[in-house]
Amino acid sequence: KAGVTQTPRYLIKTRGQQVTLSCSPISGHRSVSWYQQTPGQGLQFLFEYFSETQRNKGNFPGRFSGRQFSNSRSEMNVSTLELGDSALYLCASSLGSGRDTQYFGPGTRLTVL
Amino acid sequence: GENVEQHPSTLSVQEGDSAVIKCTYSDSASNYFPWYKQELGKRPQLIIDIRSNVGEKKDQRIAVTLNKTAKHFSLHITETQPEDSAVYFCAALISSGSARQLTFGSGTQLTVLP
Repeated sequence: KAGVTQTPRYLIKTRGQQVTLSCSPISGHRSVSWYQQTPGQGLQFLFEYFSETQRNKGNFPGRFSGRQFSNSRSEMNVSTLELGDSALYLCASSLGSGRDTQYFGPGTRLTVL
Repeated sequence: GENVEQHPSTLSVQEGDSAVIKCTYSDSASNYFPWYKQELGKRPQLIIDIRSNVGEKKDQRIAVTLNKTAKHFSLHITETQPEDSAVYFCAALISSGSARQLTFGSGTQLTVLP
């Protein structure tokens, strides 16, 4: 099976702009989770989608949002970008039972200038 | 909130020696504990996981032990090789309101010296 894919791989934006990142899970996986990875904060959970519904959300401001489509592909959106949003954004897919393995995509490196 | 603490943050060992990384968690309901390896510029990759109904699991040179009473689990790598050099993350499935989420430790940079 093909692995988790993310597009784009790199993005450069300026403060105040918005950005949309995309994640395609492994075929058959219904759950997609998003994480923010920074050198200082490690891997921080953003949210999880399962069957087009947000099942869980981390402690991030409302500027961070997401959605999932019927084919399980997911997008996350960050509005009004701030310098501190510069990070590697990783998505991970799983079957969705809650205790099953999460497989990570390669990530999208977002730089906010 | 519930969290996962990981130690040490950096670890250097000689090739052939063993490496041990330890994590503690706070949610007594946690029942799934994966370990991920992340090489520079690459995605985190699952290397081993353990569920709360077992105390130890091995896969070749890698083993994980779990002590549910003390709420800690450890990664053991034996006969380390230079290609084991990477950042290792532990994680625990932790309750968050009515949902559960994987919460990660802060990572351990392992360097295997030739």
